[in-house]
Amino acid sequence: QPVLTQPTSLSASPGASARFTCTLRSGINVGTYRIYWYQQKPGSLPRYLLKYKSDSDKQQGSGVPSRFSGSKDASTNAGLLLISGLQSEDEADYYCAIWYSSTWVFGGGTKLTVL
Amino acid sequence: EVQLVESGGGLVQPGGSLRLSCAASGFTFSSYEMNWVRQAPGKGLEWVSYISSGGSTIYYADSVKGRFTISRDNAKNSLYLQMNSLRAEDTAVYYCARETPQLDYWGQGTLVTVSS
Repeated sequence: QPVLTQPTSLSASPGASARFTCTLRSGINVGTYRIYWYQQKPGSLPRYLLKYKSDSDKQQGSGVPSRFSGSKDASTNAGLLLISGLQSEDEADYYCAIWYSSTWVFGGGTKLTVL
Repeated sequence: EVQLVESGGGLVQPGGSLRLSCAASGFTFSSYEMNWVRQAPGKGLEWVSYISSGGSTIYYADSVKGRFTISRDNAKNSLYLQMNSLRAEDTAVYYCARETPQLDYWGQGTLVTVSS
């Protein structure tokens, strides 16, 4: 079982909200980790969006709009990325990551389609 | 302006070697931890290796351990990845990325193709 699991795809309408999940493997407590989120548009390099551990330990990436936010769902052991007011330019792949056991671990990525 | 520019990619036969370089500018390179991250064609991001600011602490992904060597020359503002015993599955775009601790700046990447 992978350390981080992300749904392969997600679709939503312009102006709506999108909720990305990043589920940590059983036995790895989401409460312990900072969850990092990256966006990668087609043909472009990855861009750091934000990190979230708790409401008192979070950071928005430089220039990242406030409609991008992070949170956690302890009941499902998952990190969450929320995008509100979806725009066509948000169409991209979204990756979560954690620093785990002296390695960076990335989730497999979720492809967002805005239609 | 922070810039990371990778070079050294190309076509290599299975079992061959390549040395990637990443030239850094616009920041005090010697103060930052650095990483290599790769992305196979059409696939997701895969972390490869980490090196501390002074070079004393190094980590590798299991998939490259024993074959790849990360290093840096702070006097030259450069990061390196020596890749030996290359396999078809090493085919990817290789990015260098600055760690702060998020990976906040990424280079444009250099393509490594392992094929006969």
